[in-house]
Amino acid sequence: AAGVIQSPRHLIKEKRETATLKCYPIPRHDTVYWYQQGPGQDPQFLISFYEKMQSDKGSIPDRFSAQQFSDYHSELNMSSLELGDSALYFCASTRTGSEQFFGPGTRLTVL
Amino acid sequence: AQTVTQSQPEMSVQEAETVTLSCTYDTSENNYYLFWYKQPPSRQMILVIRQEAYKQQNATENRFSVNFQKAAKSFSLKISDSQRGDTAMYFCAQGGSSNTGKLIFGQGTTLQVKP
Repeated sequence: AAGVIQSPRHLIKEKRETATLKCYPIPRHDTVYWYQQGPGQDPQFLISFYEKMQSDKGSIPDRFSAQQFSDYHSELNMSSLELGDSALYFCASTRTGSEQFFGPGTRLTVL
Repeated sequence: AQTVTQSQPEMSVQEAETVTLSCTYDTSENNYYLFWYKQPPSRQMILVIRQEAYKQQNATENRFSVNFQKAAKSFSLKISDSQRGDTAMYFCAQGGSSNTGKLIFGQGTTLQVKP
């Protein structure tokens, strides 16, 4: 069965650089979520999209932005990267009424 | 505000034994979902079991079952016949009934299954 795809799987950036994370949800899923999991922490909700419109916003820094495109893939754009942005970033997708399926995550390291 | 609390940072169990992981939550919603996710060393988030709040019957998935106490806002996970592959971090999570459905996670419990 198709799963959530995230790219890249690993990313290394310098401070103050920009990063773009991509998420390809399971076909026919209408909602995408982004979560950030710092070292030794639980995942924290960042932002979600339902049918290409932002549906909810969590503890996402102003330096981050995201969107969902017409083909339902989503991108998380992160600018002016800080050391504290180093984390595992998960994308999850769902179809209304079902559980969330998580991608493998993108591990971002900021040096 | 929604909160999820796991008060056991670490637990261990002998192989083939039974272990229970605790979780409490707080929400003002009437209809919601509760989940247990497993995160092995690969860091993949794997759904273990799901409970709908309006269902009184406790969910069961093979060796995994829950004890859902809605009035007490308690949602514990029981793992029977523990196996080495159950070694992982376990997160309790609560999600709403709306389309936004964001998950609020607990702090996690690291489970070690010993031979």
